[in-house]
Amino acid sequence: GAVVSQHPSWVICKSGTSVKIECRSLDFQATTMFWYRQFPKQSLMLMATSNEGSKATYEQGVEKDKFLINHASLTLSTLTVTSAHPEDSSFYICSARGASGGGPIDTQYFGPGTRLTVL
Amino acid sequence: GQNIDQPTEMTATEGAIVQINCTYQTSGFNGLFWYQQHAGEAPTFLSYNVLDGLEEKGRFSSFLSRSKGYSYLLLKELQMKDSASYLCAVMDSNYQLIWGAGTKLIIKP
Repeated sequence: GAVVSQHPSWVICKSGTSVKIECRSLDFQATTMFWYRQFPKQSLMLMATSNEGSKATYEQGVEKDKFLINHASLTLSTLTVTSAHPEDSSFYICSARGASGGGPIDTQYFGPGTRLTVL
Repeated sequence: GQNIDQPTEMTATEGAIVQINCTYQTSGFNGLFWYQQHAGEAPTFLSYNVLDGLEEKGRFSSFLSRSKGYSYLLLKELQMKDSASYLCAVMDSNYQLIWGAGTKLIIKP
């Protein structure tokens, strides 16, 4: 099956600093990558959708200047949380979609997630 | 608007069978997905239905009726490790996934 990695798994930072999270599709080319945020006991919330080589499309209410997304290649997307504050503490999950063996073409495969805690 | 409905929580007994329902109203339809999410972890793909009928995969089966806007996930021979949230998601005409809020399944011995 398709594998998506995410790094780091955990990050603790001070308020005001920036944090970069990487998402990689390891065994397939991801034409589209998605970034989600999930607060405890709540459902997934889509933050943005990115296609390789083009600007990300942000969901309503998500600040594009605060959550910078770069989809540099068909296997790598990064999310940078700029000037993080305690309210940004959450579980950030990326997913990748593309042609891969063993699954329907439109399946989204999720990375393991990054738990961000801002002090 | 687009809407996915599934029960918030269900409880079942180890070894039993449970059916988790999902109804949807979306702008177009390009398939319905079921994902499993254990607490503190990311979702993992379980099944995909785009045609009406039942898809069986081991202990898990997923059913779709497009005319009724309805799907269910059937879990047989429940094990304690099946305790998780089960997410129903529909891909709309723009190939965007519309997510349900998830059903928390509690398995009791």
